[in-house]
Amino acid sequence: SAVISQKPSRDICQRGTSLTIQCQVDSQVTMMFWYRQQPGQSLTLIATANQGSEATYESGFVIDKFPISRPNLTFSTLTVSNMSPEDSSIYLCSVVRAGEEQYFGPGTRLTVT
Amino acid sequence: KQEVTQIPAALSVPEGENLVLNCSFTDSAIYNLQWFRQDPGKGLTSLLLIQSSQREQTSGRLNASLDKSSGRSTLYIAASQPGDSATYLCAVRLTIGGKLIFGQGTELSVKP
Repeated sequence: SAVISQKPSRDICQRGTSLTIQCQVDSQVTMMFWYRQQPGQSLTLIATANQGSEATYESGFVIDKFPISRPNLTFSTLTVSNMSPEDSSIYLCSVVRAGEEQYFGPGTRLTVT
Repeated sequence: KQEVTQIPAALSVPEGENLVLNCSFTDSAIYNLQWFRQDPGKGLTSLLLIQSSQREQTSGRLNASLDKSSGRSTLYIAASQPGDSATYLCAVRLTIGGKLIFGQGTELSVKP
C-alpha cells in the first residue's frame, strides 16, 4: 500500500487568488498524479508529474492554471491559480505501486467564493 | 475511446443483504481494473485490484469478478453493514503506465 498525505485538507479561498496543495508520499515513487473531482462528478486526471521533468497535462488543463512541482521522489505540489468558483472541487494526489495498483491521498476540499 | 459505466447510480438496501454493483467498459483490452470506495468529501480507498489475466479477487466480505470478453466487472458485498455506505467507483487501466479511467460511481446506502 501507500501512505499519502495532503495539505491543506480543506480551504475556502477568494476569487482571483491562488492555492498551493502539497502531497507527501511515504516512499519514493516515479510518477505522481493529480486529479480533480468536481461536485457530484467522478475523477478527472489533471496531470502526471515525474521527478526532474515537466508535468504532462491532460486535455483541458494548462500549466499556467495548474502549475505543478516535483522536487523529489516523495513530494509534489499543485497550484490552482487565479481561482474562480468553477475551481471548487476536491483535489487528489495519487501514486501507483507494484502491480499497477493506484492509491489516493485524502484529498483537499477547495471552495472558491 | 474507453468508457466506463456503473449501474445503478444509487442503491439503498437494508442491513444484512448481499448486493452486487456493476461496472462495464467498452474496450475489453484492459491491463487491470480497480474498485475503490469513497466516503463523502474524502479520498479514495483501494478495495480490490484485478489484473487482466485474473477472473476474480476476494477481500473479506468483498468479491470482485472480471469478464474481459463481455467488458464487465461486478463487486459483490456480502452481509452488508451500515458502515459499507459510501460511493463505489470502478476504474480501468488500458496499458501499463497508462491512466485510470473512472466510472461515475454507485452511491450505496445500507439502512440499519
